[in-house]
Amino acid sequence: DVKVTQSSRYLVKRTGEKVFLECVQDMDHENMFWYRQDPGLGLRLIYFSYDVKMKEKGDIPEGYSVSREKKERFSLILESASTNQTSMYLCASSLLTSNYGYTFGSGTRLTVV
Amino acid sequence: AQRVTQPEKLLSVFKGAPVELKCNYSYSGSPELFWYVQYSRQRLQLLLRHISRESIKGFTADLNKGETSFHLKKPFAQEEDSAMYYCALSPGGSNYKLTFGKGTLLTVNP
Repeated sequence: DVKVTQSSRYLVKRTGEKVFLECVQDMDHENMFWYRQDPGLGLRLIYFSYDVKMKEKGDIPEGYSVSREKKERFSLILESASTNQTSMYLCASSLLTSNYGYTFGSGTRLTVV
Repeated sequence: AQRVTQPEKLLSVFKGAPVELKCNYSYSGSPELFWYVQYSRQRLQLLLRHISRESIKGFTADLNKGETSFHLKKPFAQEEDSAMYYCALSPGGSNYKLTFGKGTLLTVNP
């Protein structure tokens, strides 16, 4: 019963390419998030969205943008991929209040060469 | 701004031994605290949250506001508990962003 789906498990892209990471949730959650997970650094918030077409920067938004045209879909865009964006990217969703925690996707491991 | 500190990157115990994963936080208000777990090759999942005061898979965590801590404990570790554990904090209310610690990799040896 997969509830948060990330379109790709592994991606390899070249430096300078525009990269799209897609995330879909089927729980009718208001909030969606993009984190990157790096060894020794934990999870760091890139962007989040609390409603369609609404977005806010997280802690490390530089080099990224997002799009939320429909409630169930939240896309992360790397405008011009760089090698320091090689990472595991995690999408998550939650209800409007965080009391119940987040539901995470299985992650996309992006390698930029 | 809030901060979550997990002082141990690695923790190794033997099966049957007690285990405690430490989590300290910095936040001036009344936060909501969570523990998340990621088993090998699985997605990150919620283990427990302080607000529910529940025990999941034998783990408990008590919020100590005086010491600003939310340590995760289990009296008898099992090999299947081996995983990466993350402590997370939310300011609560209308602010639903989670701030995560850097994680502790727990290894339970046979």
